[in-house]
Amino acid sequence: GAVVSQHPSRVICKSGTSVKIECRSLDFQATTMFWYRQFPKQSLMLMATSNEGSKATYEQGVEKDKFLINHASLTLSTLTVTSAHPEDSSFYICSATVGGGFGANVLTFGAGSRLTVL
Amino acid sequence: GENVEQHPSTLSVQEGDSAVIKCTYSDSASNYFPWYKQELGKRPQLIIDIRSNVGEKKDQRIAVTLNKTAKHFSLHITETQPEDSAVYFCAARGNNAGNMLTFGGGTRLMVKP
Repeated sequence: GAVVSQHPSRVICKSGTSVKIECRSLDFQATTMFWYRQFPKQSLMLMATSNEGSKATYEQGVEKDKFLINHASLTLSTLTVTSAHPEDSSFYICSATVGGGFGANVLTFGAGSRLTVL
Repeated sequence: GENVEQHPSTLSVQEGDSAVIKCTYSDSASNYFPWYKQELGKRPQLIIDIRSNVGEKKDQRIAVTLNKTAKHFSLHITETQPEDSAVYFCAARGNNAGNMLTFGGGTRLMVKP
């Protein structure tokens, strides 16, 4: 089946540094990928929709200058957390829809990246 | 936009019993309702989904029902096993071309052996 690969799975960084998370669709092309954030024991909150070849669409309350998204190819989207602070520590999960057409897409998730900012 | 509410937030059952998780949604145009299972620290995995043109779908011990009039859908797990213990999320896709899903708050299911 369709696989979404996400790296790194865990990252620890110092406050003020930037961290890049990669999300790849391994055996299919994903024109659209989604980035979610999940706090402990909470639900998945959509941060932004990543569109290949165009600017990402951010959800209300998500700072686009802090969470930079690049979707340069049909198989790769990256999320960069810039100038990370402890409150950015979270579980970030990317996902992509498999299958074309409005009515048939199934969402497949990457394994997630646990970010800890010291 | 779409709003999805999920109940209960925690559910504890004895092994072999059934478990039911319920969700409601707000956008009457929503047409796709998946359920995900997430084990601790892992990615959500799709376990079953239903589209708005059917009222019920079953896959072995798991079933989902959809009531479009009332705008709610439910996950039913029969003959629960300890390995069913996880967090379950319902989701709904509203009338948007971006295929965005809105998730419920999750239900932590604990199956006691």
